[in-house]
Amino acid sequence: NAGVTQTPKFQVLKTGQSMTLQCAQDMNHEYMSWYRQDPGMGLRLIHYSVGAGITDQGEVPNGYNVSRSTTEDFPLRLLSAAPSQTSVYFCASSYGTGTPRGYTFGSGTRLTVV
Amino acid sequence: TQLLEQSPQFLSIQEGENLTVYCNSSSVFSSLQWYRQEPGEGPVLLVTVVTGGEVKKLKRLTFQFGDARKDSSLHITAAQPGDTGLYLCAGGRRGGSNYKLTFGKGTLLTVNP
Repeated sequence: NAGVTQTPKFQVLKTGQSMTLQCAQDMNHEYMSWYRQDPGMGLRLIHYSVGAGITDQGEVPNGYNVSRSTTEDFPLRLLSAAPSQTSVYFCASSYGTGTPRGYTFGSGTRLTVV
Repeated sequence: TQLLEQSPQFLSIQEGENLTVYCNSSSVFSSLQWYRQEPGEGPVLLVTVVTGGEVKKLKRLTFQFGDARKDSSLHITAAQPGDTGLYLCAGGRRGGSNYKLTFGKGTLLTVNP
């Protein structure tokens, strides 16, 4: 059982480049989300989805796009990378959307924008 | 505005010592979760508490949810080097039909052999 799989694990981008961070889960979880983790800032929610075809913004959505065409996949797109987007990105999923179920996190993507 | 304050931010102790970390808020949460994160990995759920005053034990770890559901504590007895990691608390509340988690900034625990 793979859980939540994120790719790539590491990435270096130049300012202005675009890229997609991949996230896939095989647990049939309804809820998926993207967080960024920065020193001294904790985990901050970027975007989330409560099911296929439904997405919404989190706390820090600017500069990022998401889509949810299937239950399994929730890619995060950086449209034009900026140094401020240097961070560690985590994808998380959970079974329910309205109940206090724990999140399963991926192992993260460490992104550096130069 | 930081809804969840964790303290201490850093903690370095010797193997065998006891410790308590705290998670405080001025807001009421419907549940409180604790996660542990090791370097290079994502957070891993340790426990969820949902009832005010609830106490849960996981081997040497004891979790408590405050009576007013605004705070929580994690107590570790006889800490071991394997307990080293970043401990995150996360408060949950319902927003419309969705359930949303807000994370604290974490307590970085180092247990020295």
